[in-house]
Amino acid sequence: GDSVTQMEGPVTLSEEAFLTINCTYTATGYPSLFWYVQYPGEGLQLLLKATKADDKGSNKGFEATYRKETTSFHLEKGSVQVSDSAVYFCALVNTGFQKLVFGTGTRLLVSP
Amino acid sequence: GAGVSQSPRYKVAKRGQDVALRCDPISGHVSLFWYQQALGQGPEFLTYFQNEAQLDKSGLPSDRFFAERPEGSVSTLKIQRTQQEDSAVYLCASSLTETNQPQHFGDGTRLSIL
Repeated sequence: GDSVTQMEGPVTLSEEAFLTINCTYTATGYPSLFWYVQYPGEGLQLLLKATKADDKGSNKGFEATYRKETTSFHLEKGSVQVSDSAVYFCALVNTGFQKLVFGTGTRLLVSP
Repeated sequence: GAGVSQSPRYKVAKRGQDVALRCDPISGHVSLFWYQQALGQGPEFLTYFQNEAQLDKSGLPSDRFFAERPEGSVSTLKIQRTQQEDSAVYLCASSLTETNQPQHFGDGTRLSIL
């Protein structure tokens, strides 16, 4: 079945460092891909999405490009802030389905 | 505008008791989803409604789990004869249409079974 694999956390960075969180997926068809973020004590929030190959989703300085050839959707940010500390989830919705399939999440800790 | 609202925020129950978790989706949203999130894991799909019709319940782990959305708005997830392995955060999400729209999540109900 469909699945999403994320890099293990926690990822620990200093403020203004470059961030990459790896995400790869397995799916038949042509899934849409998402990054959700969960700040401490809060619910999941959609961060960005991409619906077809080579699309780039972006929001709040975060970017991810849908790479069909490598089945990847890595999350990047050029300069992280302490306020970016959260758990980040990569997810997909496959064609013809509505349910989200999530990875296990990657915790990001940013120190001043 | 209001987001997805879930209640209660926390629920503690003794093993064997029945529990009911409520979800108020964003007004006008057609699709409603329930997910279960174990500690340290990603959410896992339980069930999906389009209006009042339950179109997919493939993720419900056993026949002790039951969900309904009788008027196509508020939904209730019921767990009968709770077990310790039911302890988790239960997330509700809604989306505007049935075709690949972003899902908006509530803050979840944290269920602890003693």
